[in-house]
Amino acid sequence: GENVEQHPSTLSVQEGDSAVIKCTYSDSASNYFPWYKQELGKGPQLIIDIRSNVGEKKDQRIAVTLNKTAKHFSLHITETQPEDSAVYFCAASIGFGTGNQFYFGTGTSLTVIP
Amino acid sequence: DSGVTQTPKHLITATGQRVTLRCSPRSGDLSVYWYQQSLDQGLQFLIQYYNGEERAKGNILERFSAQQFPDLHSELNLSSLELGDSALYFCASSLRGSYTFGSGTRLTVV
Repeated sequence: GENVEQHPSTLSVQEGDSAVIKCTYSDSASNYFPWYKQELGKGPQLIIDIRSNVGEKKDQRIAVTLNKTAKHFSLHITETQPEDSAVYFCAASIGFGTGNQFYFGTGTSLTVIP
Repeated sequence: DSGVTQTPKHLITATGQRVTLRCSPRSGDLSVYWYQQSLDQGLQFLIQYYNGEERAKGNILERFSAQQFPDLHSELNLSSLELGDSALYFCASSLRGSYTFGSGTRLTVV
C-alpha cells in the first residue's frame, strides 16, 4: 500500500518567517494530496489540497507544490503568524472519488514564536 | 462546526470496560472512517465503512469493532479496555474527495 513520510516532525520559526513541510509518497498512482491543520484539542481541518494534474496551488499565505517525478509534495507557509502554530498532516490518495482512502503522514508540530 | 458529529466528547472509564463511540457523518456523506490518535502521535487508521459495508481495515485491534447503520451513522465499540487505549478517537466522513473530521472523542482509561 501507499506509504507517506513527512518531515520535519517539529518546526519552530520566528513570526514573519516562512515554514516548509515536506512529504514523500511511494505509490505513483496517488493523485490527490490534501493538507490538514490540527489545533490543540480539535479535529484536523483541510487547509489546502492539490491534484496531480497541477504542480502548484496557492491560497493567500499557504501554497502547496507537487513533484510527481520525485513523488514529493510540500506545504509552504509565508509570513507566519502565532495562529499558524498547530500540527500539520499531509496525506495522499488514489483517486478523488467516493470512498477513497487517505494515507497520512506522521505530522509536523509547527510553533511560531512571536 | 464541520458537520461531522461525534459523541461523547469525553469519556472516562475503567480498565476492562466496554464503551461505544458514535459518529454522525455530514449529510449525504456515505463513507465513515475511524482514526485513533494517541498522545503526540499521528493519525492511526482503524476502519472504513461505505454505505453500511466495511470497505477497509487498518490496525484495528480484535477488541475493537465498528458498524455503520442504515442512516449512515457509525459506532466504534471498544471492549476489554486497557490503559493504552487512552487516546483521541476521530471519525471522518467523505462523499467525493476530501475528508471532513469530527472534533473527536477523548477516551481516558483509568
